[in-house]
Amino acid sequence: NAGVMQNPRHLVRRRGQEARLRCSPMKGHSHVYWYRQLPEEGLKFMVYLQKENIIDESGMPKERFSAEFPKEGPSILRIQQVVRGDSAAYFCASSPRGMYEQYFGPGTRLTVT
Amino acid sequence: EDQVTQSPEALRLQEGESSSLNCSYTVSGLRGLFWYRQDPGKGPEFLFTLYSAGEEKEKERLKATLTKKESFLHITAPKPEDSATYLCAVQAAPGGGADGLTFGKGTHLIIQP
Repeated sequence: NAGVMQNPRHLVRRRGQEARLRCSPMKGHSHVYWYRQLPEEGLKFMVYLQKENIIDESGMPKERFSAEFPKEGPSILRIQQVVRGDSAAYFCASSPRGMYEQYFGPGTRLTVT
Repeated sequence: EDQVTQSPEALRLQEGESSSLNCSYTVSGLRGLFWYRQDPGKGPEFLFTLYSAGEEKEKERLKATLTKKESFLHITAPKPEDSATYLCAVQAAPGGGADGLTFGKGTHLIIQP
């Protein structure tokens, strides 16, 4: 049973470009969470999605960030007009149902130059 | 607001020297407390879930315990391969805080041979 998959593993963008991060949950998991880990800081919750629904986006920045989990295909975290402060590791986690332990992917390391 | 504080920030032990890591938390109704292990450049690896005060769980050289205000991760006779950052996280009960996990900053553990 493959674990949570994220791609790309490393992404370099210039200021003002768009970044798209993809997450495929574990087989049988329909709940996806996105977290951000800034250097020297802990993991911070961003958004919780089920298929075609955003359940909780209380941790998402109000501007430039969006997330989706379509009926078919991976979940996508989209960052528009990236700035240097967006440089971080972005982790996706999945669970078989809400309010259950979450299993993390290897992360995407975003560098904004 | 849910909060998690881990101590110490860093801990260096000799191989075989047992110790404990602390996780203090405040949460608006605890649904679960989670322990993860994170190696450099990788995603967090799930270790334990604890649901109620008095609960204990064990896995190899690790044992996690829970009270109403804190959790301990006890490491017995550690080996160099136990070196990692150990993360504690809480999840609020439905209707409480955000649906995602609230993480502490972690304890960076080094086991010297």
